[in-house]
Amino acid sequence: ETGVTQSPTHLIKTRGQQVTLRCSSQSGHNTVSWYQQALGQGPQFIFQYYREEENGRGNFPPRFSGLQFPNYSSELNVNALELDDSALYLCASSLDWTGGSKTQYFGPGTRLLVL
Amino acid sequence: AQTVTQSQPEMSVQEAETVTLSCTYDTSESDYYLFWYKQPPSRQMILVIRQEAYKQQNATENRFSVNFQKAAKSFSLKISDSQLGDAAMYFCAYRSPHSGNTPLVFGKGTRLSVIA
Repeated sequence: ETGVTQSPTHLIKTRGQQVTLRCSSQSGHNTVSWYQQALGQGPQFIFQYYREEENGRGNFPPRFSGLQFPNYSSELNVNALELDDSALYLCASSLDWTGGSKTQYFGPGTRLLVL
Repeated sequence: AQTVTQSQPEMSVQEAETVTLSCTYDTSESDYYLFWYKQPPSRQMILVIRQEAYKQQNATENRFSVNFQKAAKSFSLKISDSQLGDAAMYFCAYRSPHSGNTPLVFGKGTRLSVIA
């Protein structure tokens, strides 16, 4: 067990709707990263939050947004859902500091299906 | 930008035998971190082993070990005494040591089957 939890485990939405996914970081971790994993592919980086601020973003449109809260839990919001947003969404937490181990620990993921 | 390549989409191994999964990467950085993650059908991405580039000694975790060749930019994973529970997707990943925007960069994965 990594101590990283995600909710919900599964979700079905229709095109155009909005969705919020949640992640609870491992205790003591200050950084959370979100990844999208399409079927049969490796995870792709969406964005990263460090101490409640976004400090990195992958090649995803602005309709993908997020938040990190003072307790370092996080949300991923996706607006105007498209069929291609169907994927496994992974949250990973880490304790990032200069010289740190840079090890990210993953939650079990949320499987999103957009119809 | 860094890239990670796993050239073996699928591998199989007999139970109790040894298997090696390949990974190469491309980077201009001299210091970095490399990881192998395992993703079973349950979907959870589990850390298998980690290697710091500045360490010449290859990392080992029980039955799992790596062959890290920095000059060749190669980072292979060896699984000894394979068990049925080792069957999963294995992902090789790279992470820059710098603070800030340093996501994991993943390869496309290798699906490992273990034959009883």
